[in-house]
Amino acid sequence: GEDVEQSLFLSVREGDSSVINCTYTDSSSTYLYWYKQEPGAGLQLLTYIFSNMDMKQDQRLTVLLNKKDKHLSLRIADTQTGDSAIYFCAERGSGTYKYIFGTGTRLKVLA
Amino acid sequence: NAGVTQTPKFQVLKTGQSMTLQCAQDMNHEYMSWYRQDPGMGLRLIHYSVGAGITDQGEVPNGYNVSRSTTEDFPLRLLSAAPSQTSVYFCASGREGLGETQYFGPGTRLLVL
Repeated sequence: GEDVEQSLFLSVREGDSSVINCTYTDSSSTYLYWYKQEPGAGLQLLTYIFSNMDMKQDQRLTVLLNKKDKHLSLRIADTQTGDSAIYFCAERGSGTYKYIFGTGTRLKVLA
Repeated sequence: NAGVTQTPKFQVLKTGQSMTLQCAQDMNHEYMSWYRQDPGMGLRLIHYSVGAGITDQGEVPNGYNVSRSTTEDFPLRLLSAAPSQTSVYFCASGREGLGETQYFGPGTRLLVL
């Protein structure tokens, strides 16, 4: 079945760039998402990318998609302490409402 | 818009008790879903609905029932709670369409003793 994998932890220094990686198995995935979860809160959509795109930039966020390798990454430029959170990758196919989430990557930003 | 609301925020149950977690949205979204979040396991889909009167099972449906009598509400029922159901439960809603995504509620933290 479909699977989405992420590394569990990432630690970076304030001001550095963070890169969070995700791999997925469903080749029919049409939409790929990045969500952010702060402590005690629900998930907040950060950005998304369609499977026919290679890259999407949105202010400090850059999403790269390698469809051949089924690899998705989220780069956060100039990482701030407020970026400390859990980041989830998710995918869904066209015509389906079912989202498959990764395990989440806990980003810790050191001052 | 209030978005997606969930009640209660926190609940303690004894094994074998039943309860209903409430979820409501005021965005006229056709799609609603329930997830559970456990440490190291991400979010797992329990049940989902693509419209009033239509529900389907997700990845981990056992021990949970749902119904969708209105577009706005999607309650999750635990008929006989078990300690393995201790988790944080999130409800989400959304629309199909280009770039559409899900909007999440704040979560219900459930402890089953």
